[in-house]
Amino acid sequence: QVQLQQSGPGLVKSSQTLSLTCAISGDNVSSTYAGWNWIRQSPSRGLEWLGRTYFRSKWYSDYAVSVKGRISISSDTSKNQFSLQLNSVTPEDTAVYYCARDDAGFDYWGQGTQVTVSS
Amino acid sequence: DIQMTQSPSTLSASVGDRVTITCRASQNINIWLAWYQQNPGKAPKLLIYKASSLESGVPSRFSGSGSGTEFTLTISGLQPDDFATYYCQQYNDYSWTFGQGTKVEFK
Repeated sequence: QVQLQQSGPGLVKSSQTLSLTCAISGDNVSSTYAGWNWIRQSPSRGLEWLGRTYFRSKWYSDYAVSVKGRISISSDTSKNQFSLQLNSVTPEDTAVYYCARDDAGFDYWGQGTQVTVSS
Repeated sequence: DIQMTQSPSTLSASVGDRVTITCRASQNINIWLAWYQQNPGKAPKLLIYKASSLESGVPSRFSGSGSGTEFTLTISGLQPDDFATYYCQQYNDYSWTFGQGTKVEFK
């Protein structure tokens, strides 16, 4: 059974960097069939896919246009985890952040982390 | 980005009802569509993938159909656990998007 465990701060100051980590058990971040995603949810923006990283003989990343230029998603194979960094945050980035595995749909999700950006 | 539009936004129903939710894509997404159920304070749960494939463990009263730009999620015989918010999501290209959600509430 795949489990995703999120960690990271729940409060970030404006203009700083939001960093979250998702530890994987029951699967491998280097899987050649799955992808590893970050998704957020807020009342104003609904569910918003932010990006993903995946391994297909080499590492790839795809990012949403709305956050491109501010986002980085990376993997750590030694710890079997992946991470989100979102730079230059504003109060508009306040949301519940989820990590999720994709394999024809997002089939496993982390528990969610409420991140508040303070001005 | 491909825009996903769900209708209705809210749906009032009773236990036992047959319920249909529609999702329209702003361009052709073939069959690359998933449906999710979300309860308050919880992560979304995958119900349907590839437009009509039922995720393992999901009751057979849930079904999906459609291709191209128009899709439907049907719940045949609404159960008390089914009062929740439902989202569609496309994964046709490299920037994935969700619909705005449909809340199924008690009539």
